[in-house]
Amino acid sequence: GQQVMQIPQYQHVQEGEDFTTYCNSSTTLSNIQWYKQRPGGHPVFLIQLVKSGEVKKQKRLTFQFGEAKKNSSLHITATQTTDVGTYFCAGNMEYGNKLVFGAGTILRVKS
Amino acid sequence: DSGVTQTPKHLITATGQRVTLRCSPRSGDLSVYWYQQSLDQGLQFLIQYYNGEERAKGNILERFSAQQFPDLHSELNLSSLELGDSALYFCASSVGDGRIYEQYFGPGTRLTVT
Repeated sequence: GQQVMQIPQYQHVQEGEDFTTYCNSSTTLSNIQWYKQRPGGHPVFLIQLVKSGEVKKQKRLTFQFGEAKKNSSLHITATQTTDVGTYFCAGNMEYGNKLVFGAGTILRVKS
Repeated sequence: DSGVTQTPKHLITATGQRVTLRCSPRSGDLSVYWYQQSLDQGLQFLIQYYNGEERAKGNILERFSAQQFPDLHSELNLSSLELGDSALYFCASSVGDGRIYEQYFGPGTRLTVT
């Protein structure tokens, strides 16, 4: 079936270090969304990427959509303890009408 | 607060039983989505409704059913419950039907089947 693979599954960083999570699809995506879920909370929408090669920034977060629209990444510069949580990518398949979520990357930040 | 409400917050029931989870979307949102989140499966899309009609189906078991009512609230019915159905069930809503709309998630209902 349609799948969106996300790696790594888990990352534990020292506060101030950078963090990156990657999302890959076997099929072309029409767009990709990123969500953050704090421990004990619900997923919260962060951003959507639509165009091939698109790069968007939100403060210390940088989101990229690959040229082939099959992969995406989220990079956090100088992590803080407030960044802890699970980061999900969610892709819309080109000829589909539903979001397919990656398994998520759990980020822990050690202060 | 996303504006999406879900009840109940917690539910503990026995195997073989039937439960109903309720969701009220954000004001103005016409689409409702249901997801199941368990530790080993991540966020699994179950089903989507738009303005009362089913629009997309994911990995929803035959024992599960959902509907969206004229006032746009939605209910997810889970029957013949099994231990493996224990999970967090999220409802999300979006303003439109389609791939470009961001989804707003409710706080979830934690179902425990004993």
